Amino acid sequence: DAKTTQPPSMDCAEGRAANLPCNHSTISGNEYVYWYRQIHSQGPQYIIHGLKNNETNEMASLIITEDRKSSTLILPHATLRDTAVYYCIVREYSGGGADGLTFGKGTHLIIQP
Amino acid sequence: EPEVTQTPSHQVTQMGQEVILRCVPISNHLYFYWYRQILGQKVEFLVSFYNNEISEKSEIFDDQFSVERPDGSNFTLKIRSTKLEDSAMYFCASKAEHPNQPQHFGDGTRLSIL
Repeated sequence: DAKTTQPPSMDCAEGRAANLPCNHSTISGNEYVYWYRQIHSQGPQYIIHGLKNNETNEMASLIITEDRKSSTLILPHATLRDTAVYYCIVREYSGGGADGLTFGKGTHLIIQP
Repeated sequence: EPEVTQTPSHQVTQMGQEVILRCVPISNHLYFYWYRQILGQKVEFLVSFYNNEISEKSEIFDDQFSVERPDGSNFTLKIRSTKLEDSAMYFCASKAEHPNQPQHFGDGTRLSIL
């Protein structure tokens, strides 16, 4: 799997957009970018994923650069409940999907009131 | 929205005892996983399970560990002869059949070995 690099921590003011970067310069053509978050000691929560097009759902938007070497997760109106560790994971599910995810240290996003 | 459920939320066990952690995956999912997270450390993959057999396992998943899908709804992780270093949060996850669908995680079982 391609390695990802994320800043260890970020702050964002409540109500503002939180933009979390991820570098995955060695990503291969079949690898998807997945974002998860972990609030305190809860289980990782799936946020969004994409291959090359930008994606949006009810939680966030994912912007992937044209060369696919980096991406940005956008939380459009951050709330205090968005304080969590955010993980960017690159994964190709070969052979049908049984492969485990490799979690890094992620970005600790702190939403300031 | 369907979710992965895990029981118990907290398990306290004496060192050397066997423990079984239980998970009910999302009902139409076919891939199942166990992960663990030692306090303050990263989430680590243990094992994946598909079509009633182990698909992939990490170096952590040694002979002390086993998984089973005893019926159509439960997925279990058994740890034989627990050690102090097995103390961790254990997360179950499941995934739909389409290859690139995301894994969905439960809220975990906190295992404390005394």
